[in-house]
Amino acid sequence: DQQVKQNSPSLSVQEGRISILNCDYTNSMFDYFLWYKKYPAEGPTFLISISSIKDKNEDGRFTVFLNKSAKHLSLHIVPSQPGDSAVYFCAASTISNFGNEKLTFGTGTRLTIIP
Amino acid sequence: SQTIHQWPATLVQPVGSPLSLECTVEGTSNPNLYWYRQAAGRGLQLLFYSVGIGQISSEVPQNLSASRPQDRQFILSSKKLLLSDSGFYLCAWSLWSGRADTQYFGPGTRLTVL
Repeated sequence: DQQVKQNSPSLSVQEGRISILNCDYTNSMFDYFLWYKKYPAEGPTFLISISSIKDKNEDGRFTVFLNKSAKHLSLHIVPSQPGDSAVYFCAASTISNFGNEKLTFGTGTRLTIIP
Repeated sequence: SQTIHQWPATLVQPVGSPLSLECTVEGTSNPNLYWYRQAAGRGLQLLFYSVGIGQISSEVPQNLSASRPQDRQFILSSKKLLLSDSGFYLCAWSLWSGRADTQYFGPGTRLTVL
């Protein structure tokens, strides 16, 4: 049962244009959402996050939007640059019995920026 | 600064053989530690997490086990590997910082079981 879904396995965008990556979730207990970026042969690195009490968080070229009623979030990258080519994972967080965060990841979207 | 190490980077093992993957973290104390697996076509699946030495929580039933013999060492093991154990294994750490802590991932181990 995939609680976090990224339905687009790949996306190609022209350099300078906007990249929009989408993510849907099913579990209403998720209250924090994160995006991770992964280059080949490396572990994922944290990119940006958003609390469920917000609907938008912006950090430079990266903006994450959250629509709680639709259980949908998206990552906007503008303008897109060649270095943005990577696999992007959406993740949703719950708190364990020990108080630490547990992340549930989507399957990832491979973003390719075309020069 | 903190760094996380995983080894080996790649591993090919026959079905039924044992497994031991090691993860160590440097530059921090009492981190939360995690093991994830990404199987083909699947997202990153949380396998185990630990909030302290000897404290291991398992997320999914499987023939894998985890141990934390030292504060900054996390080991993933199996007595007999199955074909379905093939995948990309990632170790991660985070600090006990309340909400909004982020997890920092190691480079991963690609395991192929033949």
